[in-house]
Amino acid sequence: DAEITQSPRHKITETGRQVTLACHQTWNHNNMFWYRQDLGHGLRLIHYSYGVHDTNKGEVSDGYSVSRSNTEDLPLTLESAASSQTSVYFCASSESGLAGAKEETQYFGPGTRLLVL
Amino acid sequence: RKEVEQDPGPFNVPEGATVAFNCTYSNSASQSFFWYRQDCRKEPKLLMSVYSSGNEDGRFTAQLNRASQYISLLIRDSKLSDSATYLCVVNIGRRAGRRALTFGSGTRLQVQP
Repeated sequence: DAEITQSPRHKITETGRQVTLACHQTWNHNNMFWYRQDLGHGLRLIHYSYGVHDTNKGEVSDGYSVSRSNTEDLPLTLESAASSQTSVYFCASSESGLAGAKEETQYFGPGTRLLVL
Repeated sequence: RKEVEQDPGPFNVPEGATVAFNCTYSNSASQSFFWYRQDCRKEPKLLMSVYSSGNEDGRFTAQLNRASQYISLLIRDSKLSDSATYLCVVNIGRRAGRRALTFGSGTRLQVQP
């Protein structure tokens, strides 16, 4: 069955370290997204991609970067981890194409819990 | 003002009760609307899309009021398994086929025996 996976599921790191969170989907979706979820803020969009070599900044992109070298993967890198980046990170994917509920439905990975000490 | 606003709750209701959540959105150009469900410490999952004419899926009914810019979700005959956080989701993108969803902070529902 097609799916979307994230790794690691849990990560503890120290401030200043570079961290990369992996996201892999087997639906062959063109669209991929990274969110962070914190109490009181809900899901906030970090970066997103509409296809290979396409990346776009979301509302909370500072301190994060992504690259899209193939359809299946969109790794998220924290260049120099900060305590404010302690959060739960969700990756999601959706079909591309014309507007429509089916194509817009986002399928989420299980999340990565990141703690920055 | 947040682009998508929800009452965080919690809504505590007994089994069998009917409960309704509202959500307001600020961008009048928004074109697509959804309700997602998120269980504790799990990923969000699509519950249902919201269409202009309103739509129903079993015990769940979604309504859209474009004039007042709000969306509602009605749950009838609540079950214990309905306990979760319900996320209101709006697409405020401008280009067909290229859209990013905006999520509300969620409304927590606790159904009690």
